[in-house]
Amino acid sequence: AQSVTQLDSHVSVSEGTPVLLRCNYSSSYSPSLFWYVQHPNKGLQLLLKYTSAATLVKGINGFEAEFKKSETSFHLTKPSAHMSDAAEYFCVVTIISNFGNEKLTFGTGTRLTIIP
Amino acid sequence: DTAVSQTPKYLVTQMGNDKSIKCEQNLGHDTMYWYKQDSKKFLKIMFSYNNKELIINETVPNRFSPKSPDKAHLNLHINSLELGDSAVYFCASSQEVSGTGGPYNEQFFGPGTRLTVL
Repeated sequence: AQSVTQLDSHVSVSEGTPVLLRCNYSSSYSPSLFWYVQHPNKGLQLLLKYTSAATLVKGINGFEAEFKKSETSFHLTKPSAHMSDAAEYFCVVTIISNFGNEKLTFGTGTRLTIIP
Repeated sequence: DTAVSQTPKYLVTQMGNDKSIKCEQNLGHDTMYWYKQDSKKFLKIMFSYNNKELIINETVPNRFSPKSPDKAHLNLHINSLELGDSAVYFCASSQEVSGTGGPYNEQFFGPGTRLTVL
């Protein structure tokens, strides 16, 4: 069965320091993987996606993620945190629905807090 | 211009009532979705329509009935509302990659509708 696990429910970093949000997945086939961000009281916005092209994926706002098949991981990183990065981050994997289509399955989210 | 819009933004109602949430996208996408986000921020897909046809229907009570009058609209009607229906409901849309059936392309989300059932 396909699933996605976000290892930390809450991460706090100081402004200007690196960010690491961890995500592991399990899938019986080669999935597509995404990171979405949700700012308070807002909808979700795509940060980046992996669809079997380059394993290092660059996204918006300086974020990037590396797909590591051997570790079944897709961790999200940013070299230097900014106050505006404070938000909820979701790791997402495609799985097969009961209709035979692919659908997105969301992790439980990681709340990123930036300390001034 | 708002890409995916939902109305209303907030909805407060009593148990047992029937209510609808509307969603419209002006992106020309052919696939639309409804998601439910609970109080712990857990997001789960409920339904998906492609060109007005239902393609994903998760284990959702049949009190929930989506309706897609055209490709640009996907409304959600909820009968006999229960306390457990309180959540934020997100509409989304995407352009499905032709012939694959997969949501490889980015999904664009609406701002959400916060439903509170008293």
